[in-house]
Amino acid sequence: DTAVSQTPKYLVTQMGNDKSIKCEQNLGHDTMYWYKQDSKKFLKIMFSYNNKELIINETVPNRFSPKSPDKAHLNLHINSLELGDSAVYFCASSLRDRYNEQFFGPGTRLTVL
Amino acid sequence: AQSVTQLGSHVSVSEGALVLLRCNYSSSVPPYLFWYVQYPNQGLQLLLKYTSAATLVKGINGFEAEFKKSETSFHLTKPSAHMSDAAEYFCAAISNFGNEKLTFGTGTRLTIIP
Repeated sequence: DTAVSQTPKYLVTQMGNDKSIKCEQNLGHDTMYWYKQDSKKFLKIMFSYNNKELIINETVPNRFSPKSPDKAHLNLHINSLELGDSAVYFCASSLRDRYNEQFFGPGTRLTVL
Repeated sequence: AQSVTQLGSHVSVSEGALVLLRCNYSSSVPPYLFWYVQYPNQGLQLLLKYTSAATLVKGINGFEAEFKKSETSFHLTKPSAHMSDAAEYFCAAISNFGNEKLTFGTGTRLTIIP
């Protein structure tokens, strides 16, 4: 019954490692998003994909690479992790023409040591 | 550029008292506006949204918000606070012209005093 799911929920890793976070939605939406929530709880959009095509790419380091194998999945791969990447990452989804109705996943708390 | 300002990073109210969380937006054209709630260690849940229909919007858990164009505000209220309302609340805005970036305020932590 989960609408937007993310795995893992918690991720602890060392600096320099490469890690991925997965997101899946079963709402039939065609657009998916990644948001980052920093230690001060500030939320900001990182990426958006529509039907596997990148439509929003904020000024995110190119160590971050989203991958959308199909419109129900949007994974986030992060290379060469840095301390500043520690944050909670939220996935969201919507229909493209109803982009003001975004449904959020439970978040993945990434801690880089 | 669109921005959202939430006045007061922390708000404390007594149980049973009125809850008022403030949100102002800056945009030349009124955007769509939202309030989200985040309980500890959980994701974001939509409380209510304004999409240019009625200016007084009712949401879940007894919350409501009023859109005031003259004040560029979208404050969140609840007549009587409950202990379960303790959470982080985020105001957000998105353009109604197809720019799909949801812009969030910095959040307000609501504490309920027994």
